[in-house]
Amino acid sequence: QVQLQESGPGLVKPSETLSLTCTVSGGSISSHYWSWIRQPPGKGLEWIGCIYSSGSTTYNPSLKSRVTISIDTSNKQFSLKLNSVTAADTAVYYCARGGMQAIDYWGQGTLVTVSS
Amino acid sequence: DIVMTQSPDSLAVSLGERATINCKSSQSVLHSSNNKNYLAWYQQKPGQPPNLLIYWASTRESGVPDRFSGSGSGTEFTLTISSLQAEDVAIYYCQQYYTTPPTFGQGTRLEIK
Repeated sequence: QVQLQESGPGLVKPSETLSLTCTVSGGSISSHYWSWIRQPPGKGLEWIGCIYSSGSTTYNPSLKSRVTISIDTSNKQFSLKLNSVTAADTAVYYCARGGMQAIDYWGQGTLVTVSS
Repeated sequence: DIVMTQSPDSLAVSLGERATINCKSSQSVLHSSNNKNYLAWYQQKPGQPPNLLIYWASTRESGVPDRFSGSGSGTEFTLTISSLQAEDVAIYYCQQYYTTPPTFGQGTRLEIK
């Protein structure tokens, strides 16, 4: 059974960079798309972007200028960096398997709060 | 972006009764090359991540009870729960993965009447 686990700071200051890592276990990281998706408290889901195991990335145009997703296949991890954060970036951040198809495995999510 | 609009926003159904949730996309998500609708449904319970129920508009994910079914094509889709159980209380989302960025509906909250 594939499992994903997000890790990273739960509090980020405005204008700084949000950095999260997702560790994949119970399955291969190869030959799959891996996504980051966020959900502001009490609101809906927003797809941030995805990376294929080869390293090819696709980003949501609304966030593209601030987002970088990278992958480390040897350690079965992929990462998210979001620059110049504001309070509007406060959300539960999920890592997930899928991206250009239905998303079949999700991490439990991690709440990141942007506040000074 | 393709805009996904769900209806209703909330729904209360009696135990054992049928629940129907609708999803409309702002453009077709039917791919002519393979005749597949790039549409998924998810269930999200409080404090949990979404859980995939249906993909390709009507294919049930492994382990999902057969009381859940998906239908529709092009721009109009429906998720049906044939006989509502207490554990089905959740928010349901549709999602298109036809084009980038994948987009979700605003969610439909399903409760017990």
